[in-house]
Amino acid sequence: KNEVEQSPQNLTAQEGEFITINCSYSVGISALHWLQQHPGGGIVSLFMLSSGKKKHGRLIATINIQEKHSSLHITASHPRDSAVYICAVSSNTGNQFYFGTGTSLTVIP
Amino acid sequence: EPEVTQTPSHQVTQMGQEVILRCVPISNHLYFYWYRQILGQKVEFLVSFYNNEISEKSEIFDDQFSVERPDGSNFTLKIRSTKLEDSAMYFCASSPPGLSGNTIYFGEGSWLTVV
Repeated sequence: KNEVEQSPQNLTAQEGEFITINCSYSVGISALHWLQQHPGGGIVSLFMLSSGKKKHGRLIATINIQEKHSSLHITASHPRDSAVYICAVSSNTGNQFYFGTGTSLTVIP
Repeated sequence: EPEVTQTPSHQVTQMGQEVILRCVPISNHLYFYWYRQILGQKVEFLVSFYNNEISEKSEIFDDQFSVERPDGSNFTLKIRSTKLEDSAMYFCASSPPGLSGNTIYFGEGSWLTVV
């Protein structure tokens, strides 16, 4: 069973396009994290959300706690945004984490 | 900017050997984590550690695994008798004091190949 589901699994976009990646979860959470994994494997935390919306540069993350759903948006996408984007949740029962399978994004110049 | 550092970056070991992966979390952080990612698969949680003890562990973290914070800076993951299926990238992470769910800072990972 997957506690965290992401869609789409793969996404190809033209440079400049607006991109949305979706995440749904089935467990009670204390927070939701959006992570970026570079082709070399390194992971960077983009956002940590427990409610509402956060914005950082061209990245926007939203969460709807009632619907157990979050979205990551990238405006004016650029080839350097190409990476795997991972949704992860920290459970409200402790410091347990559940990860989505990731969305592989390729932005073509 | 402070960062989580991991060593070694890559280790090849024979099946049945013990392996220790080392991590230096960010200095004022209090929560420490190990995750693994088998090639082509999703990241999986292994264990979280707080106040010198394990606070959560997953089903993967069986008796073959152990963690230690032997001094004020290092956080280690030991695999007692490695199996082929332990081959993966192992990520260490830490997060600052406060409520659980704070931003997590990841290390670059340690590739473990068991042959």
